[in-house]
Amino acid sequence: GQNIDQPTEMTATEGAIVQINCTYQTSGFNGLFWYQQHAGEAPTFLSYNVLDGLEEKGRFSSFLSRSKGYSYLLLKELQMKDSASYLCAVREDNAGNMLTFGGGTRLMVKP
Amino acid sequence: DAGITQSPRHKVTETGTPVTLRCHQTENHRYMYWYRQDPGHGLRLIHYSYGVKDTDKGEVSDGYSVSRSKTEDFLLTLESATSSQTSVYFCAISEPGQAGNQPQHFGDGTRLSIL
Repeated sequence: GQNIDQPTEMTATEGAIVQINCTYQTSGFNGLFWYQQHAGEAPTFLSYNVLDGLEEKGRFSSFLSRSKGYSYLLLKELQMKDSASYLCAVREDNAGNMLTFGGGTRLMVKP
Repeated sequence: DAGITQSPRHKVTETGTPVTLRCHQTENHRYMYWYRQDPGHGLRLIHYSYGVKDTDKGEVSDGYSVSRSKTEDFLLTLESATSSQTSVYFCAISEPGQAGNQPQHFGDGTRLSIL
């Protein structure tokens, strides 16, 4: 089984940088995904990490440390449209492509 | 956007009635999944399918059944709906992928209320 923890809510200011953390415990790690979900909408894929280090995609970056069971999503130059929930999901070895999701972090961006 | 259509998008029904939700994809993806999303619980896997007539249970499968008779359709059935099954239901699809980095793509969800 898996245990995935994320903060429930965060608030940040437009133009700033925010880091959303995710910690996990799993018997066999095989990848970590981040999704964005606006209220009332479907989750959309943001990033994937399977090796240690930083993956950068424009204003969004995701970091992974497998030894620490830790990932973060970094959002730079925050915009009001970044107000959404951010979901961390882990895939285990021998689990096909099944994901286990954390509870999500609701980010509110204020002017 | 991935070609995933969920129907109906909204449904209100009574306790004890059967309910079937449909997920239709035009991507020819092999894997399909049904999740429910509730406040405080995030997304939880109900059932999944790795191909036609190949389905298995997820974390919260009690009270639900599924069928996949064609690659493009994955049906979720609540045989006798209960109020605890009031939720938002999401379908997702993915491909296996050699690199392992194949994300799941989600449909727009079905909001189901059971009174």
